[in-house]
Amino acid sequence: QVQLVQSGAEVKKPGASVKVSCKASGYTFTNYGITWVRQAPGQGLEWMGWITAHNGYTKYAQRLQGRVTMTTDTSTTTAYMELRSLRSDDTAVYYCARDGSDTAAAGNLDYWGQGTLVTVSS
Amino acid sequence: IVLTQSPATLSLSPGERATLSCRASQSVGSFLVWYQQKPGQAPRLLIYDASNRATGIPARFSGSGSGTDFTLTISSLEPEDFAVYYCQQRSNWPLTFGGGTKVEIK
Repeated sequence: QVQLVQSGAEVKKPGASVKVSCKASGYTFTNYGITWVRQAPGQGLEWMGWITAHNGYTKYAQRLQGRVTMTTDTSTTTAYMELRSLRSDDTAVYYCARDGSDTAAAGNLDYWGQGTLVTVSS
Repeated sequence: IVLTQSPATLSLSPGERATLSCRASQSVGSFLVWYQQKPGQAPRLLIYDASNRATGIPARFSGSGSGTDFTLTISSLEPEDFAVYYCQQRSNWPLTFGGGTKVEIK
């Protein structure tokens, strides 16, 4: 069965970086992409970006451009999301989700990880 | 593309029909997706491309619409359907989500 298992909760200070992992199993990793979505406490869903697993092509939310990097490791079927220069308003649950492998198919998030809480606090 | 969901909260009883609306600021064709989220859980894909039920989704969930106006209908609410529902468009980058509709027990 398809599973996405994310790394554990993190507490970071403002200005630091965080790297969240998303281990995929139960499907052919390189046939799909991974989208990252975050949710601040009590708030709605915010799209962060998308990466194709087979060639690492990315699209990022403009408001995060320059602070976020998404990568994949096909040897371990793991996706990563790194967010730098953390601020208090980056405190959120971060989700990875399986997505399409090209721009025409992207946007149907059919399997999700369990979420990773990142807390930014001094 | 801005997605506006209404109402923000829907108070209904089990067995009642729920009608949730999602309006886009410009046409998204049929590229509209619906998710369900329960407290402490990740979202769950319900409907893709406006009207197609995802794998394992009960037939009481249906989606309709095209262009700028979309509807998610739950024909008869079950206790497990009380949750928050989000729409999301995949017509244009960046992908965007609506603000959500909470379906609560009356």
